Amino acid sequence: ILNVEQSPQSLHVQEGDSTNFTCSFPSSNFYALHWYRWETAKSPEALFVMTLNGDEKKKGRISATLNTKEGYSYLYIKGSQPEDSATYLCAFIYGGSQGNLIFGKGTKLSVKP
Amino acid sequence: GAGVSQTPSNKVTEKGKYVELRCDPISGHTALYWYRQSLGQGPEFLIYFQGTGAADDSGLPNDRFFAVRPEGSVSTLKIQRTERGDSAVYLCASSPGLLAGSPKNIQYFGAGTRLSVL
Repeated sequence: ILNVEQSPQSLHVQEGDSTNFTCSFPSSNFYALHWYRWETAKSPEALFVMTLNGDEKKKGRISATLNTKEGYSYLYIKGSQPEDSATYLCAFIYGGSQGNLIFGKGTKLSVKP
Repeated sequence: GAGVSQTPSNKVTEKGKYVELRCDPISGHTALYWYRQSLGQGPEFLIYFQGTGAADDSGLPNDRFFAVRPEGSVSTLKIQRTERGDSAVYLCASSPGLLAGSPKNIQYFGAGTRLSVL
């Protein structure tokens, strides 16, 4: 069974705080890792697609790193804003699959003004 | 709007009834995926279409669930004899599918259909 774990389950921070979450995935048969941001009542929105060990991606104040050998990825948010409040999902794709995503349960971030 | 559209956004039904959930993918996207998110869980894969054919239906939980995509565009997820355990948010995603199932293809999601079975 392929398992993707995310921690923490939820996080409450103050505006301006920097924060990070972890995604753990199987280190064997790795193909790709996706990060999504899902706001309540909206569509999940892709943040990053990561495929190479050591990959680092950045989009504004959000960045992510990837370690395929040990099976983890970190998502960082610098200077959190209330509009960053959402559930952050990571999803793993294994080699030989049809590209279907295996999701973790997500990290729910709440940023207080 | 050029995004993925799912209808209805909410569906309340009674146990034992039949429901259909519709997904309009982004025009030109050949790959289409259905996922289901139950309370407290991450989204779980149900079925993948490449064009008109179901290339992988290994995630469908049982034979009460069926999906079609007759013209390679709109897809319908059909659930027969609904049970309370089917209550979930059903998500649809499409991607360009330039290479079938390419992991580099971002999947574009709809806002989901929230199904409640009473």
